[in-house]
Amino acid sequence: KAGVTQTPRYLIKTRGQQVTLSCSPISGHRSVSWYQQTPGQGLQFLFEYFSETQRNKGNFPGRFSGRQFSNSRSEMNVSTLELGDSALYLCASSWGQGQGGSPLHFGNGTRLTVT
Amino acid sequence: AQSVSQHNHHVILSEAASLELGCNYSYGGTVNLFWYVQYPGQHLQLLLKYFSGDPLVKGIKGFEAEFIKSKFSFNLRKPSVQWSDTAEYFCAVSHYGGATNKLIFGTGTLLAVQP
Repeated sequence: KAGVTQTPRYLIKTRGQQVTLSCSPISGHRSVSWYQQTPGQGLQFLFEYFSETQRNKGNFPGRFSGRQFSNSRSEMNVSTLELGDSALYLCASSWGQGQGGSPLHFGNGTRLTVT
Repeated sequence: AQSVSQHNHHVILSEAASLELGCNYSYGGTVNLFWYVQYPGQHLQLLLKYFSGDPLVKGIKGFEAEFIKSKFSFNLRKPSVQWSDTAEYFCAVSHYGGATNKLIFGTGTLLAVQP
């Protein structure tokens, strides 16, 4: 079974630009979550989607948004990029909502560098 | 505020030494507890999880963790480490019974095992 696939692996953008990151969950998984990983803040929850609906959102500005499609694939978008948005963005999928019997499976991440 | 503390940021051990990584959490409610591991160049993967029942849980690769409710702790242990255990270890917590995959992570502990 293929794992969680995130594209692209690396991105370099300029301040003020916008960026879209993509995540394909494991086949059959309906829940997708996004995390930002930085050396200073560690892993921080961005948002999660289940059946195309945002179920939970972290404490990030409105410049960060996401969506989930009917095939469970997800995208996240960051507009008006700032230097502080440089980070590794991780996507995780699971079969259902909650952690009851379905742990999160993480992708390798997209490394975003803002210059 | 909900938080997870990992007091050891860097740990260096020799092969066959015993390992204990500390994790304390602050959370207003019943929790699920997790340890994730990130081997060099690989994605985050689940080591073990605690939801309820026996507070001593066993995970993959000989790891175990003990939930001590009175101390708000969930320390990770392994009696004898191997060079292949070199990785970054993350403790995480989520709301028990909640229909959410949101995890709050600690800042991670980088373990280096010397052969």
